[in-house]
Order: sequence, then structure tokens, then C-alpha cells
Amino acid sequence: SQKIEQNSEALNIQEGKTATLTCNYTNYSPAYLQWYRQDPGRGPVFLLLIRENEKEKRKERLKVTFDTTLKQSLFHITASQPADSATYLCALDPTFSGGYNKLIFGAGTRLAVHP
Amino acid sequence: ETGVTQTPRHLVMGMTNKKSLKCEQHLGHNAMYWYKQSAKKPLELMFVYSLEERVENNSVPSRFSPECPNSSHLFLHLHTLQPEDSALYLCASSRSPKEQFFGPGTRLTVL
Repeated sequence: SQKIEQNSEALNIQEGKTATLTCNYTNYSPAYLQWYRQDPGRGPVFLLLIRENEKEKRKERLKVTFDTTLKQSLFHITASQPADSATYLCALDPTFSGGYNKLIFGAGTRLAVHP
Repeated sequence: ETGVTQTPRHLVMGMTNKKSLKCEQHLGHNAMYWYKQSAKKPLELMFVYSLEERVENNSVPSRFSPECPNSSHLFLHLHTLQPEDSALYLCASSRSPKEQFFGPGTRLTVL
């Protein structure tokens, strides 16, 4: 069956350290993968998109890698801050439908950054 | 703010009530989506509208009825819901098969 798994339900790290979140998928061949941030009681907010032909993408303190052989994406937050505490979701579109997408989301990893 | 608004933000309804959720975007996006998010579960895609035409209906019970009167507005009509339908209902929009912009959601409680 098709699955998206994100590592551990919760990740606790100390301020200033690098947080690394994992997204593994099976039985998909996505053209791209996306990462979102979700705060409690709010809708997800888009962070980064990485295409299958891109190995790495960066945006400020964020870095995403995409390994289509391992079927895995890693999401890194460097120099983490308490304000980075949130749930991070990975999502992929298995169909590439053209004018819209049918994102399949992982359950998310809740990140807590402690001072 | 993402440019996608949803009303109401909170809704409590009985199983025999009829209510509607509203979503609005003025971002010029051509696709709009309804998702359901239950506690401890991934977002579940319910419906997709592309250019005001429903293109996806992911086996959603008929007690949920979507409507897209124009490219800026999306409704989810609710009737005879069950307690297990209590969840956060999220609307999103996109211009193309890229990132989606989500609204703040409607927290629905069915008594």
C-alpha cells in the first residue's frame, strides 16, 4: 500500500541545534515533495517545494533534501529557535494532475525547541 | 495571513442540523480544496475544484456537499452529521500544481 511516514510523533531539541525531520514514502513516484508548517489551531503554511531532479533546496535557515532512490526527504532547521516550535508536515502529489494537485500528507512531526 | 479566509471559525451543531462552511480567496487561484483534519491523523483531502469544476471526490459521505459558485468562493454544506465528523475543516487554494495556501480552518463539533 502507499504510505507516507514522518519520523517520531515529537522531536525535542535545544535552542541553537539543528533539527532534522524525516519523511519516508513507499509506492509513490512523486514529481515533487512539499513541506509545510502548522501551528496549533491554524492551517498549514507552505515552506519549501523540492522537485525530483533537485537534490537539495535552501531557504534561509531551512534545508530540504530529496532522495528518490531512498524514497526519503530530510528537512533541516539550523540554529533552531523556540519560535520554530510547531508541527511540520511533508506532502507529495502522486498523480501530477496538471492544473491542480492532490496532496497526500504525512501525519507530521511535532518539533519543540527548548531555550 | 495567507489570503484564504474561512467562516465560521468555530461551529457546534447537532446531528439533525444543516449548516454551511464558507471559504474565500482573492489570490487569483484556479483550484480550491477541502480537507478534514482529525486529531492525530494526517490531513485528508475531501474535494478538489479546478476552474470551478469538481475534479476529485475522495469517497466522502453524501452528508458533505461541496459547492463552488465561482473561482473565489467554496462552500461545504453539512447535514445529518455524525459525532465522528467533528474535526478541523481546512480550505486551500492554488494557482497550479504547486504550493497550496490554507485558510485558518473551521473547528466543527457535532453533538
